[in-house]
Amino acid sequence: QQPVQSPQAVILREGEDAVINCSSSKALYSVHWYRQKHGEAPVFLMILLKGGEQKGHEKISASFNEKKQQSSLYLTASQLSYSGTYFCGTEIRYNNNDMRFGAGTRLTVKP
Amino acid sequence: NAGVTQTPKFRVLKTGQSMTLLCAQDMNHEYMYWYRQDPGMGLRLIHYSVGEGTTAKGEVPDGYNVSRLKKQNFLLGLESAAPSQTSVYFCASSYPRGDLTDTQYFGPGTRLTVL
Repeated sequence: QQPVQSPQAVILREGEDAVINCSSSKALYSVHWYRQKHGEAPVFLMILLKGGEQKGHEKISASFNEKKQQSSLYLTASQLSYSGTYFCGTEIRYNNNDMRFGAGTRLTVKP
Repeated sequence: NAGVTQTPKFRVLKTGQSMTLLCAQDMNHEYMYWYRQDPGMGLRLIHYSVGEGTTAKGEVPDGYNVSRLKKQNFLLGLESAAPSQTSVYFCASSYPRGDLTDTQYFGPGTRLTVL
């Protein structure tokens, strides 16, 4: 089952914050976050593991709520370069090689 | 290093035609994957390989075949293309998933249109 991402799209001004959520109906082992610019390949941002810590990448951080099977991606003080579509990928068990991706959240940062 | 490369970048086929997409990586990765990306659907795994000579089915394998004759190459074949296979195809590679801090590295994609 694909995870569900929300919101589908968000528009920000530079310097504003945003939160993107990724929810699964199944118990998760890991959550991966990627960003994809238009016409380009997805680029890895971070991975969160069951029982692991909140991970961070520059001004982008994420959390993993195991009880809710939900991960949230936090973008603080957004920059123009943050624009793109953000995808979460989820794995339900260790090393199963079958990552399921959400439909994506389109983020637009305006000057 | 070129990373993950895909050939061709664009292709238009007629229904019933066949073609092969080539993925190559120079990072000595064991694992390789083929995904398709459709509007509003995110990425869906077609087939994957955990090593040279091995392949396995993913979430949407029907209508596709793959081969991994060399570690650095992963081929995706469409024997009889259908309009439903119009999509953007991404190849990815990674180290064995036992190292969960690692990631999948994606190629630039192939945009395929089946008329």
